[in-house]
Amino acid sequence: GQSLEQPSEVTAVEGAIVQINCTYQTSGFYGLSWYQQHDGGAPTFLSYNGLDGLEETGRFSSFLSRSDSYGYLLLQELQMKDSASYFCAVRGYSGAGSYQLTFGKGTKLSVIP
Amino acid sequence: DSGVTQTPKHLITATGQRVTLRCSPRSGDLSVYWYQQSLDQGLQFLIQYYNGEERAKGNILERFSAQQFPDLHSELNLSSLELGDSALYFCASSDAGARETQYFGPGTRLLVL
Repeated sequence: GQSLEQPSEVTAVEGAIVQINCTYQTSGFYGLSWYQQHDGGAPTFLSYNGLDGLEETGRFSSFLSRSDSYGYLLLQELQMKDSASYFCAVRGYSGAGSYQLTFGKGTKLSVIP
Repeated sequence: DSGVTQTPKHLITATGQRVTLRCSPRSGDLSVYWYQQSLDQGLQFLIQYYNGEERAKGNILERFSAQQFPDLHSELNLSSLELGDSALYFCASSDAGARETQYFGPGTRLLVL
């Protein structure tokens, strides 16, 4: 099975940098993804790490250490619109040539002025 | 707009009833996933279909069933509804690439009274 741990809430100031950590336990690992979800909205894909290291996409970066079963999402130059829930998700093999995502419970980020 | 459509947007029904949620994936995507999201909960994977065939099952109750049709749209059937089934139900489709990014529809908000 798979399980993921991430903080339930984080508060940060507009313009600052925030890091959201995610640790996971999985029987088979094929990548770590991050999704953003605004209240009442649909999750949207942010970033993916299949290998160790840092992936950068604009103001957002994601890091993975497979040996530590750990990853994080880094948000820079925070804006008010970044207030949302952020989910890490582990991609695991579910058999018959198929993969599935197991999501963490999400981190609610509040950006304050 | 992810390109994934879901209907209806909202659904209010009574305990014991049966409802059907509908999802159309992005053009070209063969995989469809169904998720349940309860208040302040993460995304619980229910079931996956690939090109009309069931590929993976998650925490789906026996009262729930799904299918994917030849035109690749999918339906999630929820029967003998209970109060605890009230939740947001998301459908997602994936591009089956190396990252297998999932694109989520806007969701159906189900309220069981």
